Amino acid sequence: SQQGEEDPQALSIQEGENATMNCSYKTSINNLQWYRQNSGRGLVHLILIRSNEREKHSGRLRVTLDTSKKSSSLLITASRAADTASYFCATDIMNTGFQKLVFGTGTRLLVSP
Amino acid sequence: GAGVSQSPSNKVTEKGKDVELRCDPISGHTALYWYRQSLGQGLEFLIYFQGNSAPDKSGLPSDRFSAERTGGSVSTLTIQRTQQEDSAVYLCASARPGRNSPLHFGNGTRLTVT
Repeated sequence: SQQGEEDPQALSIQEGENATMNCSYKTSINNLQWYRQNSGRGLVHLILIRSNEREKHSGRLRVTLDTSKKSSSLLITASRAADTASYFCATDIMNTGFQKLVFGTGTRLLVSP
Repeated sequence: GAGVSQSPSNKVTEKGKDVELRCDPISGHTALYWYRQSLGQGLEFLIYFQGNSAPDKSGLPSDRFSAERTGGSVSTLTIQRTQQEDSAVYLCASARPGRNSPLHFGNGTRLTVT
């Protein structure tokens, strides 16, 4: 089964609203990353949070990490139609010899004008 | 600068044929990954290369799958005797060395096995 599970699977909001996506994982991690994928394209890295960090901001993005609950959330504030995409969390599992990212199944975000 | 380039972007092949997928990573990125993404699914790790070290092949689903990386740069993923379940998007990513380096993905090769 997937290490990362995103919730919800799909989210539909209006422009200007905030979008929150959640990710749960199962094993200890070195870091957790969020990626975005537009239809028919590759993934684009958004933000990385290390296991010893609790919150990180980048522009309109805010990521939190709770290692005790093995969960993370991605908040996109003041959403725009251009934010429409699929969002994936990826965890770098500890005790592997390299950064081996395990991806969840993603949240499909639709932002309507 | 140029991003990760994958070719072909689309490939349709008949069951039983062999296919080769190519990845040109970003210059200077020593780490290279192949992932597979089936319709509506997350990404499945296939193989990892780091510099001249032996690759980690732990994600390859069967011995029909192989990959090489020549000169620490271009990589080729080969699927022999393709099956319909091999149909997916094959994504390549490269990264700088280091545990916390973000992956840079290409746009993928969409493989359809008929």
